[in-house]
Amino acid sequence: KAGVTQTPRYLIKTRGQQVTLSCSPISGHRSVSWYQQTPGQGLQFLFEYFSETQRNKGNFPGRFSGRQFSNSRSEMNVSTLELGDSALYLCASSLGTGEYEQYFGPGTRLTVT
Amino acid sequence: GENVEQHPSTLSVQEGDSAVIKCTYSDSASNYFPWYKQELGKGPQLIIDIRSNVGEKKDQRIAVTLNKTAKHFSLHITETQPEDSAVYFCAAKGGYQKVTFGTGTKLQVIP
Repeated sequence: KAGVTQTPRYLIKTRGQQVTLSCSPISGHRSVSWYQQTPGQGLQFLFEYFSETQRNKGNFPGRFSGRQFSNSRSEMNVSTLELGDSALYLCASSLGTGEYEQYFGPGTRLTVT
Repeated sequence: GENVEQHPSTLSVQEGDSAVIKCTYSDSASNYFPWYKQELGKGPQLIIDIRSNVGEKKDQRIAVTLNKTAKHFSLHITETQPEDSAVYFCAAKGGYQKVTFGTGTKLQVIP
């Protein structure tokens, strides 16, 4: 069974631009969560989607948004990029929103210049 | 909300020795405690997990213990090998709440 895939793997953007990252979960998994990982802040939860609905949300500004499609694939969008948005963005999938095992993708490395 | 503390932040051991990483959590509603290993340039990999109805779980050289009363859980790696070198994260989750991660432990196994 294929793992979680994320595209693109690397991205360089300029301050003020917007970016869209994509995540394809493991087949059969219906929950997708997004995390931001930085050296200083560790793994910070962004949001979780299940059945195309946002179920949980972390403490990030409204510039960060996401959505999930009927095939469980998910996208996250960051508008008006800031230098501090440079990070590794990780997607994780699980069967559901309860206490299920969560499996991570390889991440998208975003650099904002 | 849940708060997970992880110690130590760095750990160096000689090959063949044991390594122990400890975590504490604050929310008594947490029932699921996974551990992840992250190698350079990769996403975190689930290596073992434990649920609140179990006190200990083993998988070959890796074991996890849980003390719900004290709200702490630990990862034990025996007979460490150079390929165990990585960053390890503990986490806690209760019901439909989000997963909360510890700050990570960088383990270095010296050959």
